[in-house]
Amino acid sequence: DADVTQTPRNRITKTGKRIMLECSQTKGHDRMYWYRQDPGLGLQLIYYSFDVKDINKGEISDGYSVSRQAQAKFSLSLESAIPNQTALYFCATRSTGRTTYEQYFGPGTRLTVT
Amino acid sequence: GQQLNQSPQSMFIQEGEDVSMNCTSSSIFNTWLWYKQDPGEGPVLLIALYKAGELTSNGRLTAQFGITRKDSFLNISASIPSDVGIYFCAGANQAGTALIFGKGTTLSVSS
Repeated sequence: DADVTQTPRNRITKTGKRIMLECSQTKGHDRMYWYRQDPGLGLQLIYYSFDVKDINKGEISDGYSVSRQAQAKFSLSLESAIPNQTALYFCATRSTGRTTYEQYFGPGTRLTVT
Repeated sequence: GQQLNQSPQSMFIQEGEDVSMNCTSSSIFNTWLWYKQDPGEGPVLLIALYKAGELTSNGRLTAQFGITRKDSFLNISASIPSDVGIYFCAGANQAGTALIFGKGTTLSVSS
């Protein structure tokens, strides 16, 4: 089984709809991240969380919110989806150790907003 | 803010050729990571570098942490068709709270 799973893998939604993307991990990592990927732009950080009570904005948080329901679960919400939020969304995890910055990614969710 | 410049943006090579790509920054990074992304999948960690001047190999892949701490290189020797994908460099930001990613190098290999 995959260590980092994301649901759904693909989603098409309409402008103005609320949508939630979910991420679960079995790696036992404390730190979890949400990224957005657009063609030619690499990966941009949306939000990150160091534990259940800690939520931090990334570089492109506007229009998104997150919830850390448990150590293993981190969800991303689009309160009112708009077409320019069409992108690939990735969840990632990292252990807490100060000497390691390695992040491990899920398979991604392809979101299309029409 | 900190930014990474990754080049080349894309490469088209023949099977068996060696490949080289790099990332540069105007600011110092304490960690460099290299990832590969296959189509329809998430990025997979290839190599992690933690020390200036460090040279690390993973099979046919070799990466180096530049001595100035402002650059890193990834080399792939004797490329094969399954090397196709997007390669990303990433560096840990100064606070150590997040990774900053390059925009990727898309590699195409013809057999």
